[in-house]
Order: sequence, then C-alpha cells, then structure tokens
Amino acid sequence: KNEVEQSPQNLTAQEGEFITINCSYSVGISALHWLQQHPGGGIVSLFMLSSGKKKHGRLIATINIQEKHSSLHITASHPRDSAVYICAVSTGNQFYFGTGTSLTVIP
Amino acid sequence: GAVVSQHPSWVICKSGTSVKIECRSLDFQATTMFWYRQFPKQSLMLMATSNEGSKATYEQGVEKDKFLINHASLTLSTLTVTSAHPEDSSFYICSARGLGHSNEQFFGPGTRLTVL
Repeated sequence: KNEVEQSPQNLTAQEGEFITINCSYSVGISALHWLQQHPGGGIVSLFMLSSGKKKHGRLIATINIQEKHSSLHITASHPRDSAVYICAVSTGNQFYFGTGTSLTVIP
Repeated sequence: GAVVSQHPSWVICKSGTSVKIECRSLDFQATTMFWYRQFPKQSLMLMATSNEGSKATYEQGVEKDKFLINHASLTLSTLTVTSAHPEDSSFYICSARGLGHSNEQFFGPGTRLTVL
C-alpha cells in the first residue's frame, strides 16, 4: 500500500472548468506539498501546507489533518495548466510521493 | 521562493562513461540535498540524502559505488553516474532544504540522462 494516494490518475477538462485533485495519506506528517511537473520534466513546488488552506492565483490547496486528506483546486483552468500534479508528504525524516495526476486541459 | 538549478539539463553519453550532474542552491544555503530518479510515468524515487560535509545516505537498493554523491559546500551537490549503462537512462532530480526555509524542499529542474 502506498503511503500517499492520489485521485484521479488522469483528468481531462475543458478550458475554464473547475478542477479538483485529491490526495490521501496514511502516515503522520509535518507538511504536505503539492508539486507541478510539466512535460519537459522540471518540477515546481506549488504549495507547502501543514494546516488549513492556501491560495495562489487560480490555485487553492486545502488540508484536513484529522482526515489525512488534501485537495488541490484549479479555478478557470487553462491549457497551460496541463501537467502532472504530485502530492508529497513529509514526516520530518522522509518524503513520500504520490504517483501523480496527469491533467490535460483542452482549449 | 528559493531557487535550485541543475546542470546539465540533458546529457547523452556512451555506455561505460561517467557523467556528473550538478545541483546548486542559488539564493540559500542548502544543509540537505536530495537526489531522486524518475522513470517514465512513475513518481520520484529517492536515491540518496546528503548533508553538507558528510557522506550521503543511500536508499536501499541504490548502489553507492555506482551513484557517487558529493555535497562539499552549502550550495553545491554533485551526482556522478559511474560507468553508465543504458539502464541508467532516466530523469534525475535534485532538491534542497536549507536554513530559514523550515521543512520545505525546493526542486531543481531535473537532468535527463540518455546512455547509448
């Protein structure tokens, strides 16, 4: 069993749609990260969360520590949002990565 | 946010040669650097953790003589793939964690290695 599970694995959306990607984890964490990886491979750190909610532009990340669950939302999606979104959790000593959600936004 | 660079961004080499990949923290001191490997359509796999000035800690199954890691300064870590073979072809990513940045890791853009 993976310590971090993401859903869905693949997601196709029309431009402008509201998108939600979910992440559940089974270990005690000190922080949860949402990462974005574009087709070229480079990784960008979007958010680091330990509680509550963070917003950056059209991206919103929430975390519920009691339920061990986090969501990444994208409002007014755009084709340039097409990428793989990876959830990762830190236990302080180790990082565990989800397998990623591949998002394609169609114009 | 903090910036981590990698060099080169891609490299093609012949089987049997060694390849060095650099990971630099550009605007912060990286006390810990991590090296990951990613196969196509798979998640990142941690290879090793290096703390500045000390030997790297390798994950189980990663050959330390094959993947030499050096973290000689607070801004630079290197990964050398020795006697590379086609099965070493992969995407190698480093990340760094440093002073004043809590638990956050900052990722480099990655290096794509192709061994012919």
